Amino acid sequence: KAGVTQTPRYLIKTRGQQVTLSCSPISGHRSVSWYQQTPGQGLQFLFEYFSETQRNKGNFPGRFSGRQFSNSRSEMNVSTLELGDSALYLCASSLEPGETQYFGPGTRLLVL
Amino acid sequence: AQTVTQSQPEMSVQEAETVTLSCTYDTSESNYYLFWYKQPPSRQMILVIRQEAYKQQNATENRFSVNFQKAAKSFSLKISDSQLGDTAMYFCAFMKPARKLIFGQGTELSVKP
Repeated sequence: KAGVTQTPRYLIKTRGQQVTLSCSPISGHRSVSWYQQTPGQGLQFLFEYFSETQRNKGNFPGRFSGRQFSNSRSEMNVSTLELGDSALYLCASSLEPGETQYFGPGTRLLVL
Repeated sequence: AQTVTQSQPEMSVQEAETVTLSCTYDTSESNYYLFWYKQPPSRQMILVIRQEAYKQQNATENRFSVNFQKAAKSFSLKISDSQLGDTAMYFCAFMKPARKLIFGQGTELSVKP
């Protein structure tokens, strides 16, 4: 079974731009969670989607948003990028909320 | 709020030896899950082991085992017969049922030949 895939793997943007990251979960997994990883703040939860609905949201500004499609694929969007948004963005999928989460390879975003 | 603490930012071990990574957590919940994930230089987060709080038996996966002390809120990871491929950042994580993962700050493990 294929693992979690994330695209793109690397991205360079400038301040003020917006970006969309994509995540395809493991086949059969219906829950997708997003995390931001930075050297200073570590791993922080962004949001979780299940059945196309946002179930949980972390403590991030409204510039961070996401959605989930009927095939469980998920996207997250960051608008008006700031330098501090430079991070590794990790997507994880699970069969259901609360089940073991399996991570994708991440998207490394650099904001200049 | 739940917190997870890994007090060892860095550790090193000789190949073939045993090493133990520490993790403590704070929660008032009685039902929860604990995990160890490893993140090698590739940055891919890989599940190592999972423990359900209601199970008294410590989880084991090949060379990896945990010492789960619920009353002490301690969840350490023991790696036996360390291999060069075990070199990675190791994260301890806590999760209430149907909620988000809460991670510790990580322990960077180096396995030396």
